[in-house]
Amino acid sequence: DTAVSQTPKYLVTQMGNDKSIKCEQNLGHDTMYWYKQDSKKFLKIMFSYNNKELIINETVPNRFSPKSPDKAHLNLHINSLELGDSAVYFCASSQGLVNTGELFFGEGSRLTVL
Amino acid sequence: SQQGEEDPQALSIQEGENATMNCSYKTSINNLQWYRQNSGRGLVHLILIRSNEREKHSGRLRVTLDTSKKSSSLLITASRAADTASYFCATAGRDDKIIFGKGTRLHILP
Repeated sequence: DTAVSQTPKYLVTQMGNDKSIKCEQNLGHDTMYWYKQDSKKFLKIMFSYNNKELIINETVPNRFSPKSPDKAHLNLHINSLELGDSAVYFCASSQGLVNTGELFFGEGSRLTVL
Repeated sequence: SQQGEEDPQALSIQEGENATMNCSYKTSINNLQWYRQNSGRGLVHLILIRSNEREKHSGRLRVTLDTSKKSSSLLITASRAADTASYFCATAGRDDKIIFGKGTRLHILP
């Protein structure tokens, strides 16, 4: 059973389009995250939700909108895609807040904007 | 920023040798974690060391933490081909964020 699953794994789209990436965790965790990994492998936090409530919102363009319908799901919607949005997006979850425990990552969603 | 910085950026060693990676950070932390990322895959948690701990072991992994120097090291003993991956340190502070370093690419030569 996959603990943190995200779909799609690959996404190729044109500039200006809108796309969504979905994430689900079956670990019963309270907190979920979106991270962006660029071409140099640098991993940067974007958002964090705890029990469906937004707790971290880094300096991310408002074209990016996370949605958490329940604590097991955290989706990422991106409007008006730009070339610079090309990256691998990772969903992760943790039991409680991160200053006490580890993150469990999904396999990533590679977004290519043409 | 409390972002960790790994050193070296890349490391190639012969199978069977030990691999040591270092991480430095800037602000006070609650814990420091090490993760492994195989090519094209997600990150996998390896080990967590709390700010009041100095050393921790897990199998072939040994992690040290020196809060006075704001640094940590990850030692992988008796390396194997399967250890080829990128290794990231991540610091967790009071602000509920885990901040990752840029990673060390480890290549184990046969």
